[in-house]
Amino acid sequence: SAVISQKPSRDICQRGTSLTIQCQVDSQVTMMFWYRQQPGQSLTLIATANQGSEATYESGFVIDKFPISRPNLTFSTLTVSNMSPEDSSIYLCSARGQGGTEAFFGQGTRLTVV
Amino acid sequence: SQQGEEDPQALSIQEGENATMNCSYKTSINNLQWYRQNSGRGLVHLILIRSNEREKHSGRLRVTLDTSKKSSSLLITASRAADTASYFCATDLTTSGTYKYIFGTGTRLKVLA
Repeated sequence: SAVISQKPSRDICQRGTSLTIQCQVDSQVTMMFWYRQQPGQSLTLIATANQGSEATYESGFVIDKFPISRPNLTFSTLTVSNMSPEDSSIYLCSARGQGGTEAFFGQGTRLTVV
Repeated sequence: SQQGEEDPQALSIQEGENATMNCSYKTSINNLQWYRQNSGRGLVHLILIRSNEREKHSGRLRVTLDTSKKSSSLLITASRAADTASYFCATDLTTSGTYKYIFGTGTRLKVLA
């Protein structure tokens, strides 16, 4: 199993600003993912964070709005840029271990944009 | 959208009763997993069933998979108040050599003491 630490756990931000969320895994993992969960909704995949290369974004999500870094096998960041109230959501980091099929999750970052 | 559908969207039962949730998905899968989420926090993995399996048990949980119907069910027996949470199915897709997990719409379960 893998333990994922995500921070900040919550933040209230002004519109037009940016927030970077950090995700640290306690072991090397092959794949890391970022999800968004709007209030009362399911999880929507934003992108797959690729180590050493550009992230793979899902339809409806773009790099300019959600730049992602993954400098090594245990760490990734997601930035929510030029925020608006519509970006208020829980953002979740997830990882899949080497040879594993289970996805592990961080506790999420609850973002409120005012 | 590739997202799966779950029903019911919400379920309220008495402690001790069984709870059944259903998940339907749209594409071929490698496996299907069920997760629990308490109060908008991180997800906890419950159980995984592979595409060549039809039924799996773990404690009070029983999962079935019917790949011909592209559906799965999660049964929680003898429910407890602590089982109150949202439950999501997730399908493991492989597209163009990359894996990703697609989550269903979720079932909000409330177990009344």
